[in-house]
Amino acid sequence: DTGVSQDPRHKITKRGQNVTFRCDPISEHNRLYWYRQTLGQGPEFLTYFQNEAQLEKSRLLSDRFSAERPKGSFSTLEIQRTEQGDSAMYLCASTLGVGSYEQYFGPGTRLTVT
Amino acid sequence: GNSVTQMEGPVTLSEEAFLTINCTYTATGYPSLFWYVQYPGEGLQLLLKATKADDKGSNKGFEATYRKETTSFHLEKGSVQVSDSAVYFCAPRDGGSQGNLIFGKGTKLSVKP
Repeated sequence: DTGVSQDPRHKITKRGQNVTFRCDPISEHNRLYWYRQTLGQGPEFLTYFQNEAQLEKSRLLSDRFSAERPKGSFSTLEIQRTEQGDSAMYLCASTLGVGSYEQYFGPGTRLTVT
Repeated sequence: GNSVTQMEGPVTLSEEAFLTINCTYTATGYPSLFWYVQYPGEGLQLLLKATKADDKGSNKGFEATYRKETTSFHLEKGSVQVSDSAVYFCAPRDGGSQGNLIFGKGTKLSVKP
């Protein structure tokens, strides 16, 4: 399978703990996006990378959130000091970039903060 | 920035009925437009796309036409099946350099046999 993969698929954590999610995009896709989806809503943009450079961050991304894409391949999203309001599905998508705008999504990581 | 308004759900239809899910958007310029589908327990899948005015995207019997004049991208299918039951999202691409998708709340479709 050469689609976008995410790990873990589910994460349950206690409030105040740190969590880290991983996304592996489709090989050779230059752009990688993170979105957050809460129950009954559509995904909301968090941040994106062009290769290894993080070029845009939504105001939804508080200081407790950080994302990296160190070698322009996989990406990680870390949430520090989790809060119950962080409970959501975190989605990763990748696209080839300029000239090709289709975004392909991974299955998501469902975070539950207790 | 861009925004999207989607028909409120849930929509319940009988098998073989005609489906329309309305979608209108506001945008600067002429963004690429997409419909995504989310089947129960699965991730978002690209259903179809249109990249310029009057383009018609189609896939799996679904169609949508990019209407510049009305800034709409309504999804249609002539005869729905039970297997089409899912949540459908209309998503224009943001016109800025980041190119993220702007999603509405989605429209849940239930098709009864």
